[in-house]
Amino acid sequence: ETGVTQSPTHLIKTRGQQVTLRCSSQSGHNTVSWYQQALGQGPQFIFQYYREEENGRGNFPPRFSGLQFPNYSSELNVNALELDDSALYLCASSLRLAGDETQYFGPGTRLLVL
Amino acid sequence: DQQVKQNSPSLSVQEGRISILNCDYTNSMFDYFLWYKKYPAEGPTFLISISSIKDKNEDGRFTVFLNKSAKHLSLHIVPSQPGDSAVYFCAASVNNNNDMRFGAGTRLTVKP
Repeated sequence: ETGVTQSPTHLIKTRGQQVTLRCSSQSGHNTVSWYQQALGQGPQFIFQYYREEENGRGNFPPRFSGLQFPNYSSELNVNALELDDSALYLCASSLRLAGDETQYFGPGTRLLVL
Repeated sequence: DQQVKQNSPSLSVQEGRISILNCDYTNSMFDYFLWYKKYPAEGPTFLISISSIKDKNEDGRFTVFLNKSAKHLSLHIVPSQPGDSAVYFCAASVNNNNDMRFGAGTRLTVKP
């Protein structure tokens, strides 16, 4: 069983640029969620994708967008980067079944915006 | 809007003793609670969960207690081991749905 993987591991961008982060879900999982974890805080929910459709969104502006592909992998895109976007971005996958949607996290992508 | 709070940023215990990590929440709609453990350079790892229909769930050395009236849950680790040293996050959701709210984490250090 392959776990959740994310790429790249680290990234440095400048303010105003755009970034794409990638996530491969755990084998057999059909749902992907993205979180932003700022330093000293817990992860904050950005959005979730299920069957290639957005299935819930947290309090993040539209410049945060995503995609899910038929193989259930996913991308997080952030446009017009701001300094406060510097954070660890976590992807979590889960299997949508009644009663248990435990999310399994990847190692994250650390983004630094200068 | 911090609906899940972990008021202790750090905790240090001796190996073999009990570790008790606490978590408070404000949203009475939360009905599913989870604990995750995070090592440096890794993503959070699921540890244990509890639904609001229970007040206790046990898995080996880990037990989670839920006090709905106080909107409080705790994670007990007995006996604590040095390998348990990590950051522990409490999380809560409504109906185990997608919008999981996390606390800020508690860094546990277990000393040999």
